Formats: sequence, structure tokens, C-alpha cells
Amino acid sequence: EVQLVESGGVVVQPGGSLRLSCAASGFTFDDYTMHWVRQAPGKGLEWVSLISWDGGSTYYADSVKGRFTISRDNSKNSLYLQMNSLRTEDTALYYCAKDVNSGWSGDLDYWGQGTLVTVSS
Amino acid sequence: QSALTQPASVSGSPGQSITISCTGTSSDVGSYNLVSWYQQHPGKAPKLMIYEVSKRPSGVSNRFSGSKSGNTASLTISGLQAEDEADYYCCSYAGSSPSYVFGTGTKVTVL
Repeated sequence: EVQLVESGGVVVQPGGSLRLSCAASGFTFDDYTMHWVRQAPGKGLEWVSLISWDGGSTYYADSVKGRFTISRDNSKNSLYLQMNSLRTEDTALYYCAKDVNSGWSGDLDYWGQGTLVTVSS
Repeated sequence: QSALTQPASVSGSPGQSITISCTGTSSDVGSYNLVSWYQQHPGKAPKLMIYEVSKRPSGVSNRFSGSKSGNTASLTISGLQAEDEADYYCCSYAGSSPSYVFGTGTKVTVL
């Protein structure tokens, strides 16, 4: 059974930093592109970032470019999101999600339950 | 990148068919056959219902179907059931780097 379990979400002050983690199991982690998608409270979904199967390619939404860094450790079946210079508008439930293949179709067939990041003073 | 436009709400009676539209631009929906649809029940993670415009993942009911014409994609739910009541989001590949854009979301109500 595929499982994605996010962690690391907390309350942080504006300008602060945070690292989210996503532990994957039930599939061959290093065969797939992975994504982070967020959802502000009561709002819609927003794509945040993706990382290729080998970590060699990373891409970001304009809203987080230069502030967030996605990474993965295939030896630990884990995905990460380093979030710096946090803003109040970054407050959201952050999901990690698996792409259906090793490319970047953006078709996300498995999602975690999310971890809540609250940016507030 | 602006969000794709979806109707805020769509409703139907059990057994009926409903269609949710997803309007983008020639830079996203109109240029790529990479439109997906997600179902999200309250407090739950999204679930992939349709990918690559019209393909259904294993385990998804054939009551769900997708199509695209020009800059607008559509999700049709036939034989509407109470369990279909949820929020639905479309998503399109938008090129440039790459990037992806989600729709504004549609709340489906089963009357």
C-alpha cells in the first residue's frame, strides 16, 4: 500500500524558516517524480514544487521561487521542503504527492494527508 | 499564472449527469493534453479521478469521464451518487519550466 506521511508543520513567525518532510512507502520511491502542493485554509489547491526521480531537476512556482528548496533522499525514501523567508500568505496545508511516472506530467496519483504550516506573529 | 476558471458550484439529483467546466488559456489547457481532475472530500486529501484529459486511473468509477475542446476541459459525472458530493479541481500543465495551474474548484452538491 502506498503511503505518504508529511511532518514538520508548525506555527512560525514571518521571516522564519521551516523544513517539511514526507516519508514514502509502498512503492519504489526513486522511480518517481515527487511534488509539493499546498492549500490555504478554505481555499483551492496550489502547486508548489517538483523534484525529478534522481533529484537532478527541481522546479518551483513563482510564488515560492528563491525562498523554498525541494530535495529528496532516495536512500531514506524521503522528500523534503526547506521553507525560508516565510510570509503570512504561505499559511497552508502542505501535501506531498507522487507523480504517476518519472516524468513530470503533474498527474498526482497518491497524496499524503498534509502538514499544516501557519505563519503568524 | 492565473488559476483555471471553474464554476463555484454544480448540483444534480441522484442518477442525473452533471458537467464541470475548466477554462484556461492557449498557454495551458489549450496547448497540452495534460489536464487532470481531482476529487476532494472535506478534511481529506485530493484523489486523482482523471488524467491526461480523459484517462481514468485504476479503481475510479467509469461514471467519471473527461474531455477537452480548445481552452476548456470538462469533467462529466454520470449516474450521480451521494458519495460524489465533494469539491472538484482541474489541473493543467502550463509549460514554462515546467509549472502547473489548478482550477478554482467546484463544489458538487447531490440534491
